[in-house]
Amino acid sequence: GDSVTQMEGPVTLSEEAFLTINCTYTATGYPSLFWYVQYPGEGLQLLLKATKADDKGSNKGFEATYRKETTSFHLEKGSVQVSDSAVYFCALSDHAYNQGGKLIFGQGTELSVKP
Amino acid sequence: DVKVTQSSRYLVKRTGEKVFLECVQDMDHENMFWYRQDPGLGLRLIYFSYDVKMKEKGDIPEGYSVSREKKERFSLILESASTNQTSMYLCASSLFPSGVFNEQFFGPGTRLTVL
Repeated sequence: GDSVTQMEGPVTLSEEAFLTINCTYTATGYPSLFWYVQYPGEGLQLLLKATKADDKGSNKGFEATYRKETTSFHLEKGSVQVSDSAVYFCALSDHAYNQGGKLIFGQGTELSVKP
Repeated sequence: DVKVTQSSRYLVKRTGEKVFLECVQDMDHENMFWYRQDPGLGLRLIYFSYDVKMKEKGDIPEGYSVSREKKERFSLILESASTNQTSMYLCASSLFPSGVFNEQFFGPGTRLTVL
């Protein structure tokens, strides 16, 4: 079945450092890909998305490119801030009608940014 | 703004009790989902519903049931709570058919402790 694998955390960075969180997937079809973020004590929020190969999703300085050839959707940010400390989830979407738009999530990567 | 609300942020119950977790969304979404979130395991789908009175099992339905009597409300029921059901429970909703996006909107979560 479809699956998502993320790099393990926690990841600890200093402010203004470069961030990469790796995400790879397996899917039988052509899924949409997402990054969600969960700030402490909150639910998940959509951070960015991409719906087809070579699409780049971007938001709040974060970027991820849908790479079909490497089945990857790595999250990057050039300069992290303390306020980026959160748990980041990579996810893919099954498009089949009778699947009701289910999302399959990776295990999450905790990011801690120190001043 | 899409709003998904959950009836409680924190809940403490005793083993064997019947527990109801309520979720309400205000955007007329057809799809609704219940997940549980555990450290290192990411989000796991318990049940989902793509229409009133319709329900589908997710990946871990054992020990849970659901009810969807109205479009905006989706309830998760623990018939006889057990300590291994101590977890964070997240509700989400999305449009259906949702095309290629399948973006889900999440509530803030209910942290359930079963003693």
